[in-house]
Amino acid sequence: DARVTQTPRHKVTEMGQEVTMRCQPILGHNTVFWYRQTMMQGLELLAYFRNRAPLDDSGMPKDRFSAEMPDATLATLKIQPSEPRDSAVYFCASGTDTSPDTQYFGPGTRLTVL
Amino acid sequence: GESVGLHLPTLSVQEGDNSIINCAYSNSASDYFIWYKQESGKGPQFIIDIRSNMDKRQGQRVTVLLNKTVKHLSLQIAATQPGDSAVYFCAENDDYKLSFGAGTTVTVRA
Repeated sequence: DARVTQTPRHKVTEMGQEVTMRCQPILGHNTVFWYRQTMMQGLELLAYFRNRAPLDDSGMPKDRFSAEMPDATLATLKIQPSEPRDSAVYFCASGTDTSPDTQYFGPGTRLTVL
Repeated sequence: GESVGLHLPTLSVQEGDNSIINCAYSNSASDYFIWYKQESGKGPQFIIDIRSNMDKRQGQRVTVLLNKTVKHLSLQIAATQPGDSAVYFCAENDDYKLSFGAGTTVTVRA
């Protein structure tokens, strides 16, 4: 049963600390998406990768957020320094550019910044 | 502003009854729509999709209807079960992006 995995599932940290979230896309998928979900804003797209190249990160605060794909099996989302307003659930999703409309979501990382 | 939205934030339904969840969109050029189900503590799960050249599409216990004239789509769940309790999102696909509505929370009463 192929699925997207994310670690950690929960993270509590203090303001100013660096946070790194990891995602393993489904094997064979070449598109990766990072979303943030909050009660107020709902699901927001932060970044999009295709074949490990970042194609769209317009939804991401550039001064503190960064997203990378060191290899095809790992995507990372970093926040440095973290702020309380970054508290949210962060989802990774993957898909293929041969079927670009279907995205498969991971279980999410629930981040709490105190 | 948000181009995709749901009519009602909550829906309570008796187990065994049919559920209807509605969604309105504003972009008449939209040509692809997806329904996702999100259970507590989990990521959104793909349920069913529909393209603008279709009016209806059926899956297992679910049917999506698209009315392009009034820019409205709905998700019908037949014989609703306790496991159907979740938040349901409609999403509009714009190239590679998904724009999600606010979600409807469905609660199934035993």
